[in-house]
Amino acid sequence: DGGITQSPKYLFRKEGQNVTLSCEQNLNHDAMYWYRQDPGQGLRLIYYSQIVNDFQKGDIAEGYSVSREKKESFPLTVTSAQKNPTAFYLCASSIFSNTGELFFGEGSRLTVL
Amino acid sequence: DAKTTQPPSMDCAEGRAANLPCNHSTISGNEYVYWYRQIHSQGPQYIIHGLKNNETNEMASLIITEDRKSSTLILPHATLRDTAVYYCIVRPQGVGGTSYGKLTFGQGTILTVHP
Repeated sequence: DGGITQSPKYLFRKEGQNVTLSCEQNLNHDAMYWYRQDPGQGLRLIYYSQIVNDFQKGDIAEGYSVSREKKESFPLTVTSAQKNPTAFYLCASSIFSNTGELFFGEGSRLTVL
Repeated sequence: DAKTTQPPSMDCAEGRAANLPCNHSTISGNEYVYWYRQIHSQGPQYIIHGLKNNETNEMASLIITEDRKSSTLILPHATLRDTAVYYCIVRPQGVGGTSYGKLTFGQGTILTVHP
């Protein structure tokens, strides 16, 4: 079945450690995105990538980094510079970059102790 | 992107139609209306979108007023599994620049379907 796979689903880390969240899609989509969601809030865009080897900052990119070396993969690193990293992280993809129809993964919940 | 206004919460009886309103009075001519829903602790799910004509798919119907300043998402026969947060989003389609993939999610409407 086609879809988006995020891992791990739950992650605990100590303050000051970098963490990498995995996102893989087998939908052959060009565009991929990372969103952050805090309790009771809507989603905020962290980074997006329109095509392999290219990515752009979203609204809240500070303290995060990404790479897009393969079409199907878009990992997100939460660095120690991110002041408030505890959140629910959602990866999404779309067939091309100027559509509003996104397919989301199940999310990764990061808790920093 | 145009701002949207949704009621914070709504209730619906199982088997009845759920009608979720959205106000987008500042919508531009090239902006589409999108609806997503998010079941607790899962990723959002695309439901439907439209420009000015009413739209229907296997999940729902979207009714957009003639002046396009508001819309209603209709779940014709709500089930307990339809309990979720429903987001109404407006965004331009088919343009580049800063619109790429960006969906501005507000706080949505919490729909509770009860037996």
